[in-house]
Amino acid sequence: QQQVKQSPQSLIVQKGGISIINCAYENTAFDYFPWYQQFPGKGPALLIAIRPDVSEKKEGRFTISFNKSAKQFSLHIMDSQPGDSATYFCAASSQGNEKLTFGTGTRLTIIP
Amino acid sequence: DAGITQSPRHKVTETGTPVTLRCHQTENHRYMYWYRQDPGHGLRLIHYSYGVKDTDKGEVSDGYSVSRSKTEDFLLTLESATSSQTSVYFCAISQGNEQYFGPGTRLTVT
Repeated sequence: QQQVKQSPQSLIVQKGGISIINCAYENTAFDYFPWYQQFPGKGPALLIAIRPDVSEKKEGRFTISFNKSAKQFSLHIMDSQPGDSATYFCAASSQGNEKLTFGTGTRLTIIP
Repeated sequence: DAGITQSPRHKVTETGTPVTLRCHQTENHRYMYWYRQDPGHGLRLIHYSYGVKDTDKGEVSDGYSVSRSKTEDFLLTLESATSSQTSVYFCAISQGNEQYFGPGTRLTVT
């Protein structure tokens, strides 16, 4: 049973555009939602994370939007750059549970 | 990289042979994890450890065993490798909810 559903599977965005990746979860006990960025041949790296007490968190060009009632959260990459081309994973966990549940990943390609 | 190393980085082995992958950390983290990454499946938890000699199963633990005799080392063993275990394996540590990953081991079972 997949508890975190991620879409789209792949995404192509022009340089300077906005990249949007969406995730939906089922477990209402989840209270921590990170995004990971992975470049080819490397391990995933923590990019940004949010807790449900806020609806939005911004770090530079990266923003997480969180909708608790819809059980959805999304990653927005503003002014997308070729260096942002990577695979992105959303994940979720609940308080007191050290295990993360991951989405299936989105391969993002930024074209000139 | 949170002081995580994995060895070997690449391995090719034959079906039916035992294989052990090693994860080493230098920062005394209590929690350690083994994941496998496959196209279309994302990252799936195999086993995790919450202390020396304390381990538990993840969602895809069949065919795998782990051991943690020292805080810094977490070993993943495939008792008898199968082609379905061809994958990229990642070790991770956690600091609270935040997890940090090693560089990965690419395992091919022929």
